[in-house]
Amino acid sequence: KAGVTQTPRYLIKTRGQQVTLSCSPISGHRSVSWYQQTPGQGLQFLFEYFSETQRNKGNFPGRFSGRQFSNSRSEMNVSTLELGDSALYLCASSLSASSGNTIYFGEGSWLTVV
Amino acid sequence: KQEVTQIPAALSVPEGENLVLNCSFTDSAIYNLQWFRQDPGKGLTSLLLIQSSQREQTSGRLNASLDKSSGRSTLYIAASQPGDSATYLCAARAPQGGSEKLVFGKGTKLTVNP
Repeated sequence: KAGVTQTPRYLIKTRGQQVTLSCSPISGHRSVSWYQQTPGQGLQFLFEYFSETQRNKGNFPGRFSGRQFSNSRSEMNVSTLELGDSALYLCASSLSASSGNTIYFGEGSWLTVV
Repeated sequence: KQEVTQIPAALSVPEGENLVLNCSFTDSAIYNLQWFRQDPGKGLTSLLLIQSSQREQTSGRLNASLDKSSGRSTLYIAASQPGDSATYLCAARAPQGGSEKLVFGKGTKLTVNP
């Protein structure tokens, strides 16, 4: 069965622009979470969605937002891009919001802000 | 606030050697601990998930243990192979507010030399 799919895989944006990243979870999975990975900070939690509701949010500014659709697909948006937003953005899905479930990651979206 | 540490940051071993990767967490109130593998430029692949009530999990040449009281988890890799070269990350699923989130270590970069 297909894994977690993230699009686009690579993108370059200019400071001040905004970007939208997309994530399609594994079929049947209803929980989607997003992470930012940078060499300095490692993997940091952005937010988690379940059944179109945001369950949890990390310590990121309001420029970072997300949503989940009725088919469990999710998007995250970053507005007014800054150089420091350059990172690998990873999406993960799991069957439900239960802590007992294994989570599965996509290949990520590489964002470069110039 | 939960913090996860992985030491060493990098490890180089000859092929065939058995090795142990370490993961420590500051708060024993975790739901589970998960080990992942990340190849360069790729997303994370789940290796093993240990629930808080479990002591260890095994999959093939991999064995992960969990000691909540000491705040430690180890990943044992038997008979290492060059294909095992990757960055290994551990993540603790911990309470946050009324919900929960995954807190990641920064990983151990493993190189297995032929």
